[in-house]
Amino acid sequence: DVVMTQSPLSLPVTLGQPASISCRSSQSLAYSDGNTYLNWFQQRPGQSPRRLIYKVSNRDSGVPDRFSGSGSGTDFTLKISRVEAEDVGVYYCMQGTLWPYSFGQGTKLEIK
Amino acid sequence: EVQLVESGGGLIQPGRSLRLSCTASGFTFSDYAMSWVRQAPGKGLEWVGFIRKKDHGGTTEYAASVKGRFTISRDDSKSIAYLQMNSLKTEDTAVYYCKAGTTFDDYWGQGTQVTVSS
Repeated sequence: DVVMTQSPLSLPVTLGQPASISCRSSQSLAYSDGNTYLNWFQQRPGQSPRRLIYKVSNRDSGVPDRFSGSGSGTDFTLKISRVEAEDVGVYYCMQGTLWPYSFGQGTKLEIK
Repeated sequence: EVQLVESGGGLIQPGRSLRLSCTASGFTFSDYAMSWVRQAPGKGLEWVGFIRKKDHGGTTEYAASVKGRFTISRDDSKSIAYLQMNSLKTEDTAVYYCKAGTTFDDYWGQGTQVTVSS
């Protein structure tokens, strides 16, 4: 099974400052169709998860452009260019290339 | 407006069965794979399984932790997905979310609590 490892697990950030979350997979997430099915989710306190990024770098509809995803193979990054108060929550990377699909442990973003 | 509404959760004794429903509206249900994802208290997200759309065979996949005990099905005529959970264990206690997805769209329900305890 593919293991997804996120770092850091806790991320205190000052409002207006950038933030970055790393996600590493135990094997390459490149699929035979040429796509890499690495997604990022946000879960605000008390809410359901919401997908932010699909296939490494594509923003979902309605997601602010301060969120961006990058990476390839086994190393991926979610960046927030300027953190806002509404960004508080837990962020998960998730691989949808190989079954069983798997999530990272989650990174808790809080405001310093 | 897209909506996914889970129902059927509750308190259940170990070894018993429970069926969750996920009622969808606001999108073409038959075009989407339907998944179940759970979250144990204070923990992260865990895939339970999913069912492909009929165009892709309508087949299912399950996590090892539930395979043989849980069954996912769908009724496209009613826009409902189901999660039949048998032989429940205390470690199945979690909020269960249903999720509708394609590569380009991803929708989640609000979740339903399942507590397995004697």
